Amino acid sequence: QKEVEQNSGPLSVPEGAIASLNCTYSDRGSQSFFWYRQYSGKSPELIMSIYSNGDKEDGRFTAQLNKASQYVSLLIRDSQPSDSATYLCAVPMDSSYKLIFGSGTRLLVRP
Amino acid sequence: KAGVTQTPRYLIKTRGQQVTLSCSPISGHRSVSWYQQTPGQGLQFLFEYFSETQRNKGNFPGRFSGRQFSNSRSEMNVSTLELGDSALYLCASSEKDRGRAFFGQGTRLTVV
Repeated sequence: QKEVEQNSGPLSVPEGAIASLNCTYSDRGSQSFFWYRQYSGKSPELIMSIYSNGDKEDGRFTAQLNKASQYVSLLIRDSQPSDSATYLCAVPMDSSYKLIFGSGTRLLVRP
Repeated sequence: KAGVTQTPRYLIKTRGQQVTLSCSPISGHRSVSWYQQTPGQGLQFLFEYFSETQRNKGNFPGRFSGRQFSNSRSEMNVSTLELGDSALYLCASSEKDRGRAFFGQGTRLTVV
């Protein structure tokens, strides 16, 4: 079983819709969770972090965490074509600086 | 603050050669991590350095090595290059929060 799992997609949504990206992780002891966005040909960019159960909102982005279900999600409201990218879920391993990344979900926002 | 700087941006090497990649972290960041990204394997952790010490290492052969200097700049070296080493090599620096890694633009290595 992979340590961090994501649906590879592509997830296609129309402009203005809500995009929902999901991630599951295997380590029950994980305390922090991160979402990175990677445009084609570019490096990953940190967009959200979440540490406690519930929701965390930042502009059009909302991260949701459910530690009991070992599940973290990213919602993008009012999706724009510029949101089209691969979204990577990352979890630090063993309280270290070693990040375990999911394989990423490719999001396509149709104009 | 200036971001993470990686050099060179692109490299083409021949099988059997060795290569050295460089990374300058964000000023004040003492942790530097290296990742390999390929279409098939995604982002894979190589190693992490903090204050010139390697603290973590991924599952890569010994041909992959690295070091960190007193100014936090880091280098990674790959010896006896293989075709499968063709990848985007990413460096990330962190300050305190373990997951808040800031990536450089990467070095695209092509082995022919």
